[in-house]
Amino acid sequence: QLVVTQSPSASASLGASVKLTCTLSSGHRTYAIAWHQQQPEKGPRYLMKVNSDGSHSKGDGIPDRFSGSTSGAERYLTISSLQSEDEADYYCQTWGTGTWVFGGGTKLTVL
Amino acid sequence: EVQLVESGGGLIQPGGSLRLSCAASGFTFYNYAMGWVRQAPGKGLEWISDIADIGDSGSSTNYADSVKGRFTISRDNSKNTLYLQMNSLRAEDTAVYYCAKTGCSSNSCYADYWGQGTLVTVSS
Repeated sequence: QLVVTQSPSASASLGASVKLTCTLSSGHRTYAIAWHQQQPEKGPRYLMKVNSDGSHSKGDGIPDRFSGSTSGAERYLTISSLQSEDEADYYCQTWGTGTWVFGGGTKLTVL
Repeated sequence: EVQLVESGGGLIQPGGSLRLSCAASGFTFYNYAMGWVRQAPGKGLEWISDIADIGDSGSSTNYADSVKGRFTISRDNSKNTLYLQMNSLRAEDTAVYYCAKTGCSSNSCYADYWGQGTLVTVSS
């Protein structure tokens, strides 16, 4: 079964970097994923697509502070130079035949 | 600029019906698969349906098990509009419903633009 797993929470200090992880289920390590950001009381915003080879393609207007990478079945979102507006929920999404699959989301707190 | 504007949400009694609309602009609508994603209060994102245009053969659709047989997705390419017909509504369908554009012409893809959402509340 196609599943993506995320840690429920993460925290990092203002100006620091943080790396969020999205893990693909067994047998699906070659799948691409997408990262979405949802700030409080707002709709989701597409950040980037991350492929199994580590390449990534960002959405319109996404700052260079946001980057993606891969290691095996894990897909990462790294945010550098953290700003207060980066405090948000981050969801990874993958897709298979006839379905989209979302992770449970990671709530990022900027200290 | 891509814009997706949902409408049609509101308060509805259990067992009732509602039709959501999503007006799209800023891209060639018929070239992209579209989807609906919902978010119950305080919960995460849940995909519910997507649709792709397959030309003269019509459209290809998919549904999550939670809504299959009750919800119907459709699109009108002449109006650049996506729809979600929701029947036999239940309390657990209460959520903000988001329209999403995908980055692909075929079903089962990633969302690359989102609407602002419309709230559906199912309650007596």
